[in-house]
Amino acid sequence: EVQVLESGGGLVQPGNSLKLSCATSGFTLSTAWMYWYRQFPEKRLEWVARIKAKSNNYATDYTESVKGRFTISRDDSKGSIYLQMDNLKEEDTAIYYCSCYYSGPIDFWGPGTMVTVSS
Amino acid sequence: DIQMTQSPSSLPASLGDRVTITCRASQDIGNYLRWFQQKPGKSPRLMIYGATNLAAGVPSRFSGSRSGSDYSLTISSLESEDMADYYCLQSKESPLTFGSGTKLEIK
Repeated sequence: EVQVLESGGGLVQPGNSLKLSCATSGFTLSTAWMYWYRQFPEKRLEWVARIKAKSNNYATDYTESVKGRFTISRDDSKGSIYLQMDNLKEEDTAIYYCSCYYSGPIDFWGPGTMVTVSS
Repeated sequence: DIQMTQSPSSLPASLGDRVTITCRASQDIGNYLRWFQQKPGKSPRLMIYGATNLAAGVPSRFSGSRSGSDYSLTISSLESEDMADYYCLQSKESPLTFGSGTKLEIK
C-alpha cells in the first residue's frame, strides 16, 4: 500500500525557516517523481516544487514565487523527501502536500501539513 | 505560464444528473491533463490522467474528454459520494498549473 506522510509544519514568523519532511513507503521511491503542492486558505491549489527520479539526475524545478527561498531534496535510502523553506512570507501560509508520481500512473498525495506564517 | 480556465466555479446538481466540468488551456498541453477530486478535510485524489484515462479504482461513471484546448470531466449519473471539489492540472510544462476548482453540490 502506497503511503505518503508529511510532517514539520507549524507556526513560524515571517523571515524564518521551516523544513518539511515527507515519509514514503509502499513503492520504489527511486523511480518516482516527487512533488510538493500547497493549498491556500481560499482553497486554491498551487504546485510548489518537483524533484525527478535518479534516472533524470534528480532534476528539480520550482514555481516562480519560491525560487531562491525553497529547496526540494530527497533521500531515497531513507524513503524521504524534504522541502526546506527559508525567508518565509505570510503568503506562504497554506497546507503543504507531498505527492508521488510514477508509472501506472500513480499520483498519490499525503494528508498534508499546515504551515502558518504570521507574526 | 499556461493558464487553466475552469468552469463553472459552482455546480448545483441532483442525484442521477449528468454533469460536466470544463478546463480550457491557454496554450497547447496535448493530453497532459489530470483531474482531481477533493472532499472536505481530505487531500486531492487522482481521477483522470492523460485527459481521458480513468485512474485506478475510479468508478466508470467518471470520464474525461478533450476537444481542442477544452478538457472535460463528466459524471454520467451523479451519486452522493461525488459531491466534492474538482480541479484540473496541466503537467505539460513547468510551472504546473491548476484550474480554479469546481464545487459540486446537491441542488
